[in-house]
Amino acid sequence: DTGVSQDPRHKITKRGQNVTFRCDPISEHNRLYWYRQTLGQGPEFLTYFQNEAQLEKSRLLSDRFSAERPKGSFSTLEIQRTEQGDSAMYLCATTKTSGVTDTQYFGPGTRLTVL
Amino acid sequence: GESVGLHLPTLSVQEGDNSIINCAYSNSASDYFIWYKQESGKGPQFIIDIRSNMDKRQGQRVTVLLNKTVKHLSLQIAATQPGDSAVYFCAEFGAGNKLTFGGGTRVLVKP
Repeated sequence: DTGVSQDPRHKITKRGQNVTFRCDPISEHNRLYWYRQTLGQGPEFLTYFQNEAQLEKSRLLSDRFSAERPKGSFSTLEIQRTEQGDSAMYLCATTKTSGVTDTQYFGPGTRLTVL
Repeated sequence: GESVGLHLPTLSVQEGDNSIINCAYSNSASDYFIWYKQESGKGPQFIIDIRSNMDKRQGQRVTVLLNKTVKHLSLQIAATQPGDSAVYFCAEFGAGNKLTFGGGTRVLVKP
């Protein structure tokens, strides 16, 4: 257990529905990342926050996806009008920046299945 | 449980033997590399890291080697144990403050 928690762990939804996932970082970790992982692949970067500011978004993050980190602590990732291609594991990782490069600690992920 | 990496390269190793997992990276500007272990149904777990100003770094039963000339990383696991069975990913930290992961290798430890 890295100390990063995600909720829910599993989500099954029907195509067209909206879903929201939550990530709670390790205390005092100021940087928070979202990744997506499909079967047989490594995680792919989606977006990241430095405190409450969203600093970068991947081109993978279509306009149906939105992420927030309103108080610089927990973060939410919302997918609107889900599609079957959104089925994946959504991973959150956090780090405390002390230099240019810092270890990212991952949560257990949320497994999304879109029927 | 669910499986991570259905069609990954697989390394089968006898319990007690040493394992070597290889990884090629693409960005010569990357200056920080991490190996992660991922068990079925779990998030990636940090194993060991190395910065580009180093060639080798050792941890507990693990060693990472970095060859910048050919952009190659390897992870060596000494005396492989059943608990080492998992998918292993290398990741490079480069521009954009984000990790770029390689394709992963599944390690199966035979008793």
